[in-house]
Amino acid sequence: QVQLQESGPGLVTPSQTLSLICTVTGGSINSDGFLWTWIRQHPGKDLEWIGYIFSSGGAYHNPSLKSRLAISVDTSRNQFSLNLNSVTAADTAIYYCARLHCSNSCSQGGGFDIWGQGTLVTVSS
Amino acid sequence: EIVLTQSPATLSLSPGERATLSCRASQSVSSYLAWYQQKPGQAPRLLIYDASNRATGIPARFSGSGSGTDFTLTISNLEPEDFGVYYCQQRSVWVTFGGGTKVGIK
Repeated sequence: QVQLQESGPGLVTPSQTLSLICTVTGGSINSDGFLWTWIRQHPGKDLEWIGYIFSSGGAYHNPSLKSRLAISVDTSRNQFSLNLNSVTAADTAIYYCARLHCSNSCSQGGGFDIWGQGTLVTVSS
Repeated sequence: EIVLTQSPATLSLSPGERATLSCRASQSVSSYLAWYQQKPGQAPRLLIYDASNRATGIPARFSGSGSGTDFTLTISNLEPEDFGVYYCQQRSVWVTFGGGTKVGIK
């Protein structure tokens, strides 16, 4: 049974870089038909897609975050990671990693079928 | 950006009743729409993908319909564990989520 687990600092200083890792257990990140995803949720508020990546390394970013964002994958460790630079208080949120299960193709559709438990990241000095 | 508008914002129902949740897209998303349930302190759980396909392990009382810009999630015969916040999400152009409908106990 595939499980995802986020790890990283819970407190980040303004203007610094937020870095999180998602570890995949119970299955290989190299499996076909999945996109490895970061999603965040401001406390009590809406869900926001950050971006996702294929195990081959091709990544797609939310255009609103693209200039500050890097998503990478390490297949040898069965992990993928998020780096968001120049953070402000507006980046305070619960950060989830999730697996997108592609349906007919990975270009559209499907659903986020497995989620990590989420990790709260607070941006504050 | 495709905006998803969910209605109503809040729904108060009793166990055994039927819930009908709506999601409207600002432009066509074809059938590339999913539904999730979220309970306090938990990650969202996938219920429906591609408008009408139930995810693995989801009970048959959950059903999805619609295409283009108008979608519906129906929960027939509400169970006590069905209360929570429900979100729709599109993956036609990038990914966006709706603002949620809270289904509460009447």
